[in-house]
Amino acid sequence: GAVVSQHPSRVICKSGTSVKIECRSLDFQATTMFWYRQFPKQSLMLMATSNEGSKATYEQGVEKDKFLINHASLTLSTLTVTSAHPEDSSFYICSARLARGNNEQFFGPGTRLTVL
Amino acid sequence: GQNIDQPTEMTATEGAIVQINCTYQTSGFNGLFWYQQHAGEAPTFLSYNVLDGLEEKGRFSSFLSRSKGYSYLLLKELQMKDSASYLCAVMDSNYQLIWGAGTKLIIKP
Repeated sequence: GAVVSQHPSRVICKSGTSVKIECRSLDFQATTMFWYRQFPKQSLMLMATSNEGSKATYEQGVEKDKFLINHASLTLSTLTVTSAHPEDSSFYICSARLARGNNEQFFGPGTRLTVL
Repeated sequence: GQNIDQPTEMTATEGAIVQINCTYQTSGFNGLFWYQQHAGEAPTFLSYNVLDGLEEKGRFSSFLSRSKGYSYLLLKELQMKDSASYLCAVMDSNYQLIWGAGTKLIIKP
């Protein structure tokens, strides 16, 4: 149980375009989802916390107008990278937290974004 | 500030035992997690400690001392597939995960 899917797994786009990444909890409801970014050989960096039905909470230094997050249902959160630039190229990972037990986060498989 | 420290890289031999240490300073504590991450993949859950002591799960064990702000992950009977990064993460008082930079474990035949 507790499977999280992420789509697409890999995307290459031109500079200036927007890219949408979907994160779904397949077999449980997630009131809270997290979006991370990971650059090569670095640890996970939390970008924002996404709560169903409310605005996302962004970490310091993350532009909310550039990284649009929508958490419209208990099983789906989306991250849209607007006007992408080469420096946005990274590995984006979402996770969903079970609202019981040890609050463990279950991770999606990640999305590799390359902006040309 | 909040801080998680773990070694950047470790090398061990196939079949041996390795211990990866993690020290932390966080605002509040609601548990410590260990995750395994292979290159290019998302992290996968290994263990969770919220009380002091040792939690054993197969070849992997995790230890926690809250008074010392210290944990370790012990891997026994190392296999080549254990080559990965191991991430230590602490859940703070706001139930946010604070991540360490990860320890890259290299297994040699």
